[in-house]
Amino acid sequence: EPEVTQTPSHQVTQMGQEVILRCVPISNHLYFYWYRQILGQKVEFLVSFYNNEISEKSEIFDDQFSVERPDGSNFTLKIRSTKLEDSAMYFCASSEDRYNQPQHFGDGTRLSIL
Amino acid sequence: QKEVEQDPGPLSVPEGAIVSLNCTYSNSAFQYFMWYRQYSRKGPELLMYTYSSGNKEDGRFTAQVDKSSKYISLFIRDSQPSDSATYLCATSNDYKLSFGAGTTVTVRA
Repeated sequence: EPEVTQTPSHQVTQMGQEVILRCVPISNHLYFYWYRQILGQKVEFLVSFYNNEISEKSEIFDDQFSVERPDGSNFTLKIRSTKLEDSAMYFCASSEDRYNQPQHFGDGTRLSIL
Repeated sequence: QKEVEQDPGPLSVPEGAIVSLNCTYSNSAFQYFMWYRQYSRKGPELLMYTYSSGNKEDGRFTAQVDKSSKYISLFIRDSQPSDSATYLCATSNDYKLSFGAGTTVTVRA
């Protein structure tokens, strides 16, 4: 069964450094998403992306964050200057369509900021 | 008021029991309802997806949606130790999924 793949599985970064998290969505999917889950808390929506632009973002997704689809298969989340509170699991998801199609998730990248 | 409320448990049942999980939501605009299963250190895995009130069955799993009371349920019949995981309910009306806190379930052999 096709799946969403994320790399790396664990990223350790010094506070203030830039980090890029990578995702390969399911190949025929057109909508891409990032979510995060701080330890012990709910999964929270960050951003959705379609047709090479952001379609919706949450208040968490401030100017420190950016997303990109640099080629036909990858989807990335960049955090420019990481803070301690950015430590979390980051999940990528994709769906075939915007409506009436479920989102499928990758196994996440655990980001640890020191 | 939280968008989606879910009792975090934990819930412990003997093998073979029926597991009953519930969520309530506040936004009547939500149209799509999902249950995900999450094993430790893994991503949410889609179990059930529905967009209408009523029941949807898939093997040992039954999802139930009552839009009039904004209540969604998941039932797991003949539970197995491999069903031990955290179960997340989620709702949406567009791009963004709103998740519950997740209920941790342990099925004892």
